[in-house]
Amino acid sequence: DQQVKQNSPSLSVQEGRISILNCDYTNSMFDYFLWYKKYPAEGPTFLISISSIKDKNEDGRFTVFLNKSAKHLSLHIVPSQPGDSAVYFCAASNSGGSNYKLTFGKGTLLTVNP
Amino acid sequence: ETGVTQSPTHLIKTRGQQVTLRCSSQSGHNTVSWYQQALGQGPQFIFQYYREEENGRGNFPPRFSGLQFPNYSSELNVNALELDDSALYLCASSSSDRVETQYFGPGTRLLVL
Repeated sequence: DQQVKQNSPSLSVQEGRISILNCDYTNSMFDYFLWYKKYPAEGPTFLISISSIKDKNEDGRFTVFLNKSAKHLSLHIVPSQPGDSAVYFCAASNSGGSNYKLTFGKGTLLTVNP
Repeated sequence: ETGVTQSPTHLIKTRGQQVTLRCSSQSGHNTVSWYQQALGQGPQFIFQYYREEENGRGNFPPRFSGLQFPNYSSELNVNALELDDSALYLCASSSSDRVETQYFGPGTRLLVL
């Protein structure tokens, strides 16, 4: 039973355009969401997060949107750069739990073409 | 500020053997979590340690065990290795004032033959 789903295994965009990565979740107890970027042979790098009390959080070129009623979040990257090419993981946690364990999606491979 | 480090980077073992993986948390972080990432999957939570005690466990059998030391570094031990244990093992650390955000190390790639 996958509680966090990233339905697009891959996404290809042109440099300078917007990249939109999507994530859906089923567990209504999740109230904190994170995006990580992963290059081959490296560990996941934290990008941006959002609490369920907000619907948008922005950090430079990265913006995360949360739609709680739809149990959906998205990561927007504007403008996309070739160095953004990586696997992006969506993760969720429940702050009411004792340990904030992260539940991950399977990831989306983003390719930004020059 | 030193990030999360893990050792070794790669390891090859045979079925039935035992393995110990090591993790040093980021400076100032007192909580360590371990995850297993199989090929083509997202990381899966194994367990978490806080103040040298296990603080939650995922759906992994008891042959997966761990330790946290007074300096907050941690070990993951896996006994009676099985072929399906082949994966990338990731350690993540977090601080008690921002426990919801975990920072990952580079991982240890384990191959069981």
